[in-house]
Amino acid sequence: DAKTTQPTSMDCAEGRAANLPCNHSTISGNEYVYWYRQIHSQGPQYIIHGLKNNETNEMASLIITEDRKSSTLILPHATLRDTAVYYCIVREETSGSRLTFGEGTQLTVNP
Amino acid sequence: NAGVTQTPKFQVLKTGQSMTLQCAQDMNHNSMYWYRQDPGMGLRLIYYSASEGTTDKGEVPNGYNVSRLNKREFSLRLESAAPSQTSVYFCASSPGTGDSGANVLTFGAGSRLTVL
Repeated sequence: DAKTTQPTSMDCAEGRAANLPCNHSTISGNEYVYWYRQIHSQGPQYIIHGLKNNETNEMASLIITEDRKSSTLILPHATLRDTAVYYCIVREETSGSRLTFGEGTQLTVNP
Repeated sequence: NAGVTQTPKFQVLKTGQSMTLQCAQDMNHNSMYWYRQDPGMGLRLIYYSASEGTTDKGEVPNGYNVSRLNKREFSLRLESAAPSQTSVYFCASSPGTGDSGANVLTFGAGSRLTVL
């Protein structure tokens, strides 16, 4: 699996966009970028994933650089309930097997 | 849909006791996983089952055994509990196959285990 690097923590003002970066410089051509988040004490929650094109769903947008060595998760209008640890993971789509979580980024949304 | 259901939600054991954590999913997923999360730490993979009938070790398998009972159920057993196994345990499942979303995991709510 490609290793990912994320900042340990970030702050964001409520109502503003939260931009969470992830570096994955060793990503291979068939590896996807996945984002999950974990709100305190709860099970992690899937947010979004993508291969090379930008992706958007009801929760967030995923921007992947052209060389695919980094990506940014965007929460367009952060709320207090978005305070959580956000995990960026890189993995092949079809392997269907082990997914390893790193330390993630603690995002704190401030009022 | 219940998604991924874990039982029990809380358990206190004494050192040396055994117990089994149960996990069931109703999404017809092929792959299932057990993770542990210690306070202030990230998730670490204990065991996983890529498909019914197969199991493989993850990052921290020592002290645990697993059984993929059928496609729906994946249990985690502690044969002789130790204080170092005090943790929150999460079960997850994923489709495992398909054109998209094979590795999208759905997690259970967690089982909080304390070993005294």
